[in-house]
Parts: sequence; C-alpha cells; structure tokens
Amino acid sequence: ETGVTQSPTHLIKTRGQQVTLRCSSQSGHNTVSWYQQALGQGPQFIFQYYREEENGRGNFPPRFSGLQFPNYSSELNVNALELDDSALYLCASRPWTGPNTGELFFGEGSRLTVL
Amino acid sequence: LAKTTQPISMDSYEGQEVNITCSHNNIATNDYITWYQQFPSQGPRFIIQGYKTKVTNEVASLFIPADRKSSTLSLPRVSLSDTAVYYCLVGPNNAGNMLTFGGGTRLMVKP
Repeated sequence: ETGVTQSPTHLIKTRGQQVTLRCSSQSGHNTVSWYQQALGQGPQFIFQYYREEENGRGNFPPRFSGLQFPNYSSELNVNALELDDSALYLCASRPWTGPNTGELFFGEGSRLTVL
Repeated sequence: LAKTTQPISMDSYEGQEVNITCSHNNIATNDYITWYQQFPSQGPRFIIQGYKTKVTNEVASLFIPADRKSSTLSLPRVSLSDTAVYYCLVGPNNAGNMLTFGGGTRLMVKP
C-alpha cells in the first residue's frame, strides 16, 4: 500500500502570488487534512476534507482553500501569499470508518518559501 | 482542547532509556493521549496512544497515572536514529484529523 505523497517538495514564490500544493492520500483513506508547520514549531491544523467537502477548519483566513477529488486526492491553495506563509505544508490522511486509533498518516511535506 | 506542557529539549546517550513527560492538567474525560515523532523535513509519525494505565508497542511504552494529568513516553535503549522531535497530543478520538500539536520535545541522542 502506498503512503501519502505530496508535490512539489520545494517551491519558491513571491509575495502576492498564488500557490497550489497537491496530495495523494494513502490507499483506502478517504479523509484528508492539511497542516502548516513554521520553522521550529509544531504543525498547525488548516482544514480537513471528507467526501469532497470541508468539514473542519483551523484558525486560518479564507485565502487558504482546498479541494478534495473523487479519488480522495487533495489540493491546498493559498492566495495573496505573505512572507509568514513560508512553512512546511503537510498533508495527512486516515480512513473515516473503522476503529479510531489516533493515527494520522502524514506525507513528507511541501516546503514553501515566500520572498 | 487540553493544553500540554513538555520539556523543550532533552539529551541522552545511545543505549539508555529515555522518558519524556507531558503535563496535561486540564485533560477531559473523553480525551486520549497520543505521541508522534518527527524527523527534520518529514511529516510526523504516530508512535503510541493511550487512555489510562500503561500501553506498550514494539517501539515505546506510555505510562498514564490514575489522575491522567500527565503521561510519560518511554523509549527503551535509544539509538542515534531516535534523535527527533516528540509531540504529546491530548484530545478526543472523534476530532477526526484535527490534531493540536504543541512545541514538542527535541531529543538529541549522542554516541
């Protein structure tokens, strides 16, 4: 079974631009969430998707948006980039049903640098 | 969600047992305690989860006292590859993917 894969691994943008990050969830996992991790800090929850709809959101502004596709893959879009958006963006997946062991499966992240 | 407090950093030597304690004084009745490990430039990896008493798996043990206001992650005989950041999380299991990470404990294992 394949793990969570993210692309691109690294990218550089300038302030004001827009970025799209992509995630393929682990096989059989139908919920996907995104996290932002600034340097030296723990990951912060952005939002979660289930059945192609957002069903949970952290304290992030509307310029952070996402999509989930029928194959459970997902995108994170960030508009009007700011310098503070520079971070490692992590995607995580888990099956919606079945025993909840507290285990989320994370990808290796996309490192975004905003100049 | 219950706030957690854990040491910012710890040092150890290869072969030693490492115990990382996490305080969560405001833990709720339906909260579980979960630990994740993170290597640089990688996503966090689940280590262990428990509700009360002791839980053990192939990589770690989790000790939770009766009052559940703290917990201790125990790593037996650490190696250099255990150098990582360890996060203690407290929250209900019905929170979906909405985990709340604190600052974590940076463990450095020395030869």
